[in-house]
Amino acid sequence: QVQLVESGGGVVQPGRSLRLSCVVSGFTFGSYGMYWVRQSPGKGLEWVAFISYDGSNKYYVDSVKGRFTISRDNSKNTLYLQMDSLRAEDRAVYYCARQGGWYVLDYWGRGTLVTVSS
Amino acid sequence: QSALTQPRSLSGSPGQSVTISCSGNNSDVGVSNYVSWYQQHPDKAPKLIIYDVDKRPSGVPDRFSGSKSGNTASLTITGLQSEDEADYYCCSYAGTWVFGGGTTLTVL
Repeated sequence: QVQLVESGGGVVQPGRSLRLSCVVSGFTFGSYGMYWVRQSPGKGLEWVAFISYDGSNKYYVDSVKGRFTISRDNSKNTLYLQMDSLRAEDRAVYYCARQGGWYVLDYWGRGTLVTVSS
Repeated sequence: QSALTQPRSLSGSPGQSVTISCSGNNSDVGVSNYVSWYQQHPDKAPKLIIYDVDKRPSGVPDRFSGSKSGNTASLTITGLQSEDEADYYCCSYAGTWVFGGGTTLTVL
């Protein structure tokens, strides 16, 4: 069955960096676009980034442009989110999700919590 | 881009029907055929329940249906059940992806 497992979250000081990973199984990773979506505590969902199946196209929400980088290693079935210059407002649970259909997030992982605090 | 507007909370009794609205504008919901809805139970990952405005993934009960009129999309749940108590989010693609603020549905 389709599984997505995020890791790499933790507590980090403002201005520092963190790299999240999402290991997938149960489907051909290299055939699907992938997303990162975050959810601040007690808040709604926010799309963060998208990467096409081959990594050739990447898109970001304005608030993370220039600070976050989405990437993938299709040989390792792994999606990444490199987060630099972290801010307090980046504190959230970060989910990875698979692109199903054109613009749909059809399977989600259980998320990893990122806390930015001094 | 601003979040889509959803009612913060709704409630209904078992067996009743409820409709959750998702309002945008003519740069997102109004021009998009790619509206989706997600159900999220506490401390769980979101689950896709409607995509492309009105399509249901396999395994999602036909009690869930989606529609759109103008700048507003809607999710209707008929025959409410206790397990429908959850948070619901709409999402629209129109160049980028934007989610609604979420609606907490309580089954009384």
